[in-house]
Amino acid sequence: SQELEQSPQSLIVQEGKNLTINCTSSKTLYGLYWYKQKYGEGLIFLMMLQKGGEEKSHEKITAKLDEKKQQSSLHITASQPSHAGIYLCGAVPPLIQGAQKLVFGQGTRLTINP
Amino acid sequence: NAGVTQTPKFRVLKTGQSMTLLCAQDMNHEYMYWYRQDPGMGLRLIHYSVGEGTTAKGEVPDGYNVSRLKKQNFLLGLESAAPSQTSVYFCASTNSDTQYFGPGTRLTVL
Repeated sequence: SQELEQSPQSLIVQEGKNLTINCTSSKTLYGLYWYKQKYGEGLIFLMMLQKGGEEKSHEKITAKLDEKKQQSSLHITASQPSHAGIYLCGAVPPLIQGAQKLVFGQGTRLTINP
Repeated sequence: NAGVTQTPKFRVLKTGQSMTLLCAQDMNHEYMYWYRQDPGMGLRLIHYSVGEGTTAKGEVPDGYNVSRLKKQNFLLGLESAAPSQTSVYFCASTNSDTQYFGPGTRLTVL
């Protein structure tokens, strides 16, 4: 079965600093999703990556998928308090993408200190 | 357009009690999912449905049952709650690539 490992598990950064969260898959990814979860709330879709080498940006958040499609990184530039939360990567295994059975990493808890 | 809604938001049960969690979506999505989220373990898929009248087991189905009698609703049932089922439960739906999540139900089993 496919497994996703996120690192670090928790991260504390000072406001204004850059940071990176990594997601590594045990198998080649068909699709890789990044979600953000505010404490005590549901998941908010950030980005989806499907092609090897693909990179997408939204405001100050950039996500990349490596050429081998087994690792993704989420980079936040000039972090703000609004970036605080839990970031989860999710993947669709190649053979069953029709049912969209996402497998998730364990999450990275991001804290932004003023 | 409310998206994905879940009821209730919070619930406390005693061991052995039963309850049903309701998920509703107004986006006409075919696929619906139930996940549980536990500290340090991310989200794990309990059951899912690829259309009205169909259900299938996910990664951790034991102790749960589901029904999809109407396309817009996906019910998750606990027949005899156990403390190990204390968790936050999320429902999601999709028609394509992006899963949309509900706000979650926090369940405590004493």
